[in-house]
Amino acid sequence: EDQVTQSPEALRLQEGESSSLNCSYTVSGLRGLFWYRQDPGKGPEFLFTLYSAGEEKEKERLKATLTKKESFLHITAPKPEDSATYLCAVPHWGSARQLTFGSGTQLTVLP
Amino acid sequence: NAGVTQTPKFQVLKTGQSMTLQCAQDMNHNSMYWYRQDPGMGLRLIYYSASEGTTDKGEVPNGYNVSRLNKREFSLRLESAAPSQTSVYFCASNKQGGQNTEAFFGQGTRLTVV
Repeated sequence: EDQVTQSPEALRLQEGESSSLNCSYTVSGLRGLFWYRQDPGKGPEFLFTLYSAGEEKEKERLKATLTKKESFLHITAPKPEDSATYLCAVPHWGSARQLTFGSGTQLTVLP
Repeated sequence: NAGVTQTPKFQVLKTGQSMTLQCAQDMNHNSMYWYRQDPGMGLRLIYYSASEGTTDKGEVPNGYNVSRLNKREFSLRLESAAPSQTSVYFCASNKQGGQNTEAFFGQGTRLTVV
């Protein structure tokens, strides 16, 4: 059974204080790992897709990396507007159309 | 572009009442999805439609039905609402399943069943 575990559940940072969020997964054959950002009261917004170990992608202050068992979302010099819940997801073992989501990391960046 | 539009945004139902959540996308996507999101549990797939005319069960389909009315619209129906169905419901769409699964989500429907 696919499992996606995110840690920590919540993270509070000072503005400019870099850190990393973790997404560990157990799947039968990884067919991609997805990162989403979700603001309060809104739907998730797509950030990145990673397909193979060693792959990295960047967007502004965010960089996502992938190993064979986990993914990291690195946040460099965060700003208050980076505050959100970050979700990771992997395609379901039975159907790539279905995504199994982690429960998310709620990030708060204090000014 | 409006993207994915859900209606209503909020709804309160009494136990046993029925209702339909509406979803429409204007991105010409083939696949559409209904998720529910509960605190501490992440998003869970209820039903999906890989293409017009097809629907399949997801992880938590019990108590729900869906209709893919046309390529743009995918509705979710609760025939007899229960308190356990209190949740935030999200509709999503993407071009197709498989590798290209970047999904676009609606703003959500917050449903309370009393």
